[in-house]
Amino acid sequence: QKEVEQDPGPLSVPEGAIVSLNCTYSNSAFQYFMWYRQYSRKGPELLMYTYSSGNKEDGRFTAQVDKSSKYISLFIRDSQPSDSATYLCAMSKSGGYQKVTFGTGTKLQVIP
Amino acid sequence: NAGVTQTPKFQVLKTGQSMTLQCAQDMNHNSMYWYRQDPGMGLRLIYYSASEGTTDKGEVPNGYNVSRLNKREFSLRLESAAPSQTSVYFCASSEANEKLFFGSGTQLSVL
Repeated sequence: QKEVEQDPGPLSVPEGAIVSLNCTYSNSAFQYFMWYRQYSRKGPELLMYTYSSGNKEDGRFTAQVDKSSKYISLFIRDSQPSDSATYLCAMSKSGGYQKVTFGTGTKLQVIP
Repeated sequence: NAGVTQTPKFQVLKTGQSMTLQCAQDMNHNSMYWYRQDPGMGLRLIYYSASEGTTDKGEVPNGYNVSRLNKREFSLRLESAAPSQTSVYFCASSEANEKLFFGSGTQLSVL
């Protein structure tokens, strides 16, 4: 069983929809949670970074962490065609250098 | 700002050939990493360098070597390429935390 599970999709939504992307994990030691966005043939770029449980909002993006359920989510409001990309969840155990474990990514397509 | 620069962008090798992937960052980060990305497997860490002068194995180091040439540059070498090393390779850097900055990748095919 993988430490981090993520539905690969693809997920297709109409422009303007609210998108929910999710990951589950098995290791309760994870404390830092991240979402990366990866456009086709590009490197991942950090989108959201959170510590422990709770919510974090940045513009149209909200990251949510529920450590009790070992479940993290990324919500995208008013989705745009430019949001079409693969979204990777990632997590690590503690601050400083530590191995970052990535999900396999969910491919999102926002249809105009 | 260039960020993390990788060369080459594409490469085709025959089994048994060797090559070096180059990576340079201009963000003055201490830590640098090499990942490979394969369909259904996600990003997997090959090697990392927590600081200049140190390198350590990651999750999938077999068949690879690395050199941290200086604080800016971190290279990945395939001594004898195998078809199983066909993948997209990403270099990343960070300031000793989880906020990784990635290059644009090298698409490698080994025939």
